[in-house]
Amino acid sequence: SQQGEEDPQALSIQEGENATMNCSYKTSINNLQWYRQNSGRGLVHLILIRSNEREKHSGRLRVTLDTSKKSSSLLITASRAADTASYFCATGRTGGANNLFFGTGTRLTVIP
Amino acid sequence: DGGITQSPKYLFRKEGQNVTLSCEQNLNHDAMYWYRQDPGQGLRLIYYSQIVNDFQKGDIAEGYSVSREKKESFPLTVTSAQKNPTAFYLCASSIAASGRSYEQYFGPGTRLTVT
Repeated sequence: SQQGEEDPQALSIQEGENATMNCSYKTSINNLQWYRQNSGRGLVHLILIRSNEREKHSGRLRVTLDTSKKSSSLLITASRAADTASYFCATGRTGGANNLFFGTGTRLTVIP
Repeated sequence: DGGITQSPKYLFRKEGQNVTLSCEQNLNHDAMYWYRQDPGQGLRLIYYSQIVNDFQKGDIAEGYSVSREKKESFPLTVTSAQKNPTAFYLCASSIAASGRSYEQYFGPGTRLTVT
């Protein structure tokens, strides 16, 4: 399966701390995306990094991509209670259609 | 959730009945997708459509059917042939890809319970 796997499965931190989540995948990709899901809701796109990029920033988010290790990380700096959610990586499938393989997610809890 | 609506939010059905989940988008996107999410799991692709009147099977299409008669609408029917239909169903849309990748926009989801 090309599905990504996030690590850790669950993460609990204090407000103000940084949170790092990792994603590993198995086959070649053309892009990797990170999404956030609040409990019982739809997913919200956070950031997309293409296979020829190594690092990308968006506000308090920093994403890295290492295609040689087939891995990516999402760093959330200065976390807030409102960041509590599940975070999923999704890899773009090669070959045309904009289909994604989703990982199993990291459940982040930020304690106020 | 902006731009994509799914209805209803909760749906209850008896085993053996077909049920249709609605998905509508006003983002003028060509591509639409249906995913299934089970508790504590990621999303699995059921069907996708890149253009009106065309759709393709995803990874777990058995027991499901779709139609794409209008650009804005991509309804999913869960048939009685689907062995484990109870799940959270998510619809998404995006710009259709042609050599590039784009973010997907998701609806709020429909939680289907079959007893």
